Amino acid sequence: QVQLVESGGGVVQPGGSLRLSCAASGFTFENYDMHWVRQAPGKGLEWVAFIRYDGSNKYFSDSVKGRFITSRDNSKNTLYLQMNSLRVEDTAVYYCAKYRTIFGVVPKYYFDYWGQGTLVTVSS
Amino acid sequence: QSALTQPPSVSGSPGQSVTISCTGTSSDVGNYNRVSWYQQSPGAAPKVMIYGVNNRPSGVPDRFSGSKSGNTASLTISGLQAEDEADYYCCSYAGTYTFVFGTGTKVTVL
Repeated sequence: QVQLVESGGGVVQPGGSLRLSCAASGFTFENYDMHWVRQAPGKGLEWVAFIRYDGSNKYFSDSVKGRFITSRDNSKNTLYLQMNSLRVEDTAVYYCAKYRTIFGVVPKYYFDYWGQGTLVTVSS
Repeated sequence: QSALTQPPSVSGSPGQSVTISCTGTSSDVGNYNRVSWYQQSPGAAPKVMIYGVNNRPSGVPDRFSGSKSGNTASLTISGLQAEDEADYYCCSYAGTYTFVFGTGTKVTVL
């Protein structure tokens, strides 16, 4: 069965850094694009970052662009999110999500599996 | 990358139908048929209910349906059941591998 397990969350001061990991199992990780999505306490979902299956392309939301980096190690079935220059407003549960493509005349896409999330708290 | 607009809450009695709207712009919802809907119960990860505007993954009850008109997508739950009480989020592709979620709607079963 597909499993995504995030780790690395914790408490960090404003301006600090943290690296999150997402360990994947139950599917061929190197074949799938992956995403990071976050959710501030009591708030809605916010898309954060995308990385292609081979790591060749990465895209970020405007709110984290230039501060966050995402990468993957397909040999270790692991996705990473390096978060730098952290701000109070980055406090959230961070989820990794697998991106499924249904090929056809008109391809369709959606996040089909999500991890349980890891909490990042930015506070002095 | 402004969040898509959803009503904060909708409610209905068991067996009734409720519809959640998701309003975006011509740069996201209106430009792509890549709208999906996610159900999130307290403390849990989101679960996909609809993808590609109106497609249901296997295992999702057929009382869930989706549609889109212009810049607004909609999720309808027909024959509302107690287990449908949760938060619901729409999500749209916004070009160049970027995505935007809706503000979220809390569905209450009276």
